[in-house]
Amino acid sequence: NAGVTQTPKFRILKIGQSMTLQCTQDMNHNYMYWYRQDPGMGLKLIYYSVGAGITDKGEVPNGYNVSRSTTEDFPLRLELAAPSQTSVYFCASSYSIQRDGITDTQYFGPGTRLTVL
Amino acid sequence: GDSVTQMEGPVTLSEEAFLTINCTYTATGYPSLFWYVQYPGEGLQLLLKATKADDKGSNKGFEATYRKETTSFHLEKGSVQVSDSAVYFCALRLFSSGSARQLTFGSGTQLTVLP
Repeated sequence: NAGVTQTPKFRILKIGQSMTLQCTQDMNHNYMYWYRQDPGMGLKLIYYSVGAGITDKGEVPNGYNVSRSTTEDFPLRLELAAPSQTSVYFCASSYSIQRDGITDTQYFGPGTRLTVL
Repeated sequence: GDSVTQMEGPVTLSEEAFLTINCTYTATGYPSLFWYVQYPGEGLQLLLKATKADDKGSNKGFEATYRKETTSFHLEKGSVQVSDSAVYFCALRLFSSGSARQLTFGSGTQLTVLP
């Protein structure tokens, strides 16, 4: 069982370039999330999706776009890369937000380390 | 707003030493609390969780108790191993009907255990 997979593992971009970070989960989870982690900081939510065709902004969405055409995939798009977007990006998924009154577990991918120069 | 404050690292211990990583939180309401662990080169994994006051989460010898009176969720282990070397994140989550509330993370604590 692969869980949550992310590609690429590392990437260096020049200012103004575009790229898509890929995220795929094979657990048939409804919810998917994108977080970024800056050095010495906790993870911050960029965007999330509650199901195919539905996405919503998190805490830090500016400079990013997402789409959710299938249950499995949740790509994150950077249109005009800026140095402030240098970070480690984590994708996560969960079956639901709350199940039987108990918080559902988020499963994380291994991360993509992005540097914008 | 909601926030999580974690003990700053890095923390270096000898094998079989006692571990405490402090975590306190600020939240409007009654959050669920979590500890996640990130081993080198891997994604975050849920280590343990507690959903209400006085609950104790435990896993792999680690424990944490949800203390509402001190708004804390400190992580402890009686005897650490080299394989426990990782980054540990404390997090909280609040729920309100009809909304998808995010996890709020602390900044992480790097633990290194020496043989």
